[in-house]
Amino acid sequence: AQSVTQLDSHVSVSEGTPVLLRCNYSSSYSPSLFWYVQHPNKGLQLLLKYTSAATLVKGINGFEAEFKKSETSFHLTKPSAHMSDAAEYFCVVSDRDKGFQKLVFGTGTRLLVSP
Amino acid sequence: EADIYQTPRYLVIGTGKKITLECSQTMGHDKMYWYQQDPGMELHLIHYSYGVNSTEKGDLSSESTVSRIRTEHFPLTLESARPSHTSQYLCASSDADRVTGELFFGEGSRLTVL
Repeated sequence: AQSVTQLDSHVSVSEGTPVLLRCNYSSSYSPSLFWYVQHPNKGLQLLLKYTSAATLVKGINGFEAEFKKSETSFHLTKPSAHMSDAAEYFCVVSDRDKGFQKLVFGTGTRLLVSP
Repeated sequence: EADIYQTPRYLVIGTGKKITLECSQTMGHDKMYWYQQDPGMELHLIHYSYGVNSTEKGDLSSESTVSRIRTEHFPLTLESARPSHTSQYLCASSDADRVTGELFFGEGSRLTVL
């Protein structure tokens, strides 16, 4: 079974500084990986996805992630944090069970952005 | 904006009551999902559906039941709510057959059982 580990439960940054949210995955085959964001009292929104094409994936709102097979990592980055980036971020791997796609979520990283 | 809607957004009820959480999507997606999310925790899949008249249990055992009579509608029911059912329930849908597909999520139903 596929799994992901988010290494930090909370990350605090100042507005205008870089963001790094770490994620490692475990997969028996070439995985599909996603980052989703959840703002307070909202549903989840897809930020970006990796599907075995380019290893550097660009998403919405200036976020990007790099797939590194040798390190089994898929860290999320942004050059300059904005106050509106404060939210919960989930690293997700896609798995199949009896031919049906399922998403397996990490435990989430809460991003706090201070002025 | 994804066209998937959940009602109610917030519900506070007493123990023993029957509740139904509604989920509707207007995208014509075949696959629908229910996830349970406790505060500060990851999402756990509790139910999913391939299409009309198809329902399956997910990874996390749940006392809730679901039905899929119409493509656009995937309600979740608790026959007798208990405080342990207090949680946020997120509905999602997808039209993808491949593992690369995106899930579209509703805004969630936050249930509190007293």
